[in-house]
Amino acid sequence: DAKTTQPTSMDCAEGRAANLPCNHSTISGNEYVYWYRQIHSQGPQYIIHGLKNNETNEMASLIITEDRKSSTLILPHATLRDTAVYYCIVRVARNTGGFKTIFGAGTRLFVKA
Amino acid sequence: GAVVSQHPSRVICKSGTSVKIECRSLDFQATTMFWYRQFPKQSLMLMATSNEGSKATYEQGVEKDKFLINHASLTLSTLTVTSAHPEDSSFYICSAPSGTGDSPLHFGNGTRLTVT
Repeated sequence: DAKTTQPTSMDCAEGRAANLPCNHSTISGNEYVYWYRQIHSQGPQYIIHGLKNNETNEMASLIITEDRKSSTLILPHATLRDTAVYYCIVRVARNTGGFKTIFGAGTRLFVKA
Repeated sequence: GAVVSQHPSRVICKSGTSVKIECRSLDFQATTMFWYRQFPKQSLMLMATSNEGSKATYEQGVEKDKFLINHASLTLSTLTVTSAHPEDSSFYICSAPSGTGDSPLHFGNGTRLTVT
């Protein structure tokens, strides 16, 4: 089972910032938060990940709360091409070592003109 | 960097035949690759973990004899859907981590399988 919860859908106006929240209240101290997105009929695309410090790259910013129980992905200037399903993921540890990435339902972001 | 290529992108086959899907890491080596399946309007479901040089690890409920996985080299994993049936029609996606530790997954563009 996925270890995160996200709103089912969100709308955002083109050119405005899109703020996508994620709850991960059971996250452990050494587990990272990953964000991916999937545009219709394509494979998912990695966006960003972080442990406890805020992170920024050319695609987005990731803000993680101090208690690490939630985070927000920020797309600073959303475009129509950012319409996609966004997945917030905390990996699941395997009994035999290593991790696996389990997808929840994600947030469907609609960017409107 | 970190490109994963998946082939074919689409395949239509007749019921009872087998279909092979290839997943290649183009600019990095991957000792582990992951295979997912996605039905319409649903999220990705992890099917199995492909391990280079050893047997794949299947998720609960996934038939290993039906979905054969081979990880022949550090850049290639294959998924063979054997004796395909219409209910196997789905979007199959592979992925691989670009490194160890906290490295993220990089995904192929998926294979849409239609079994008639």
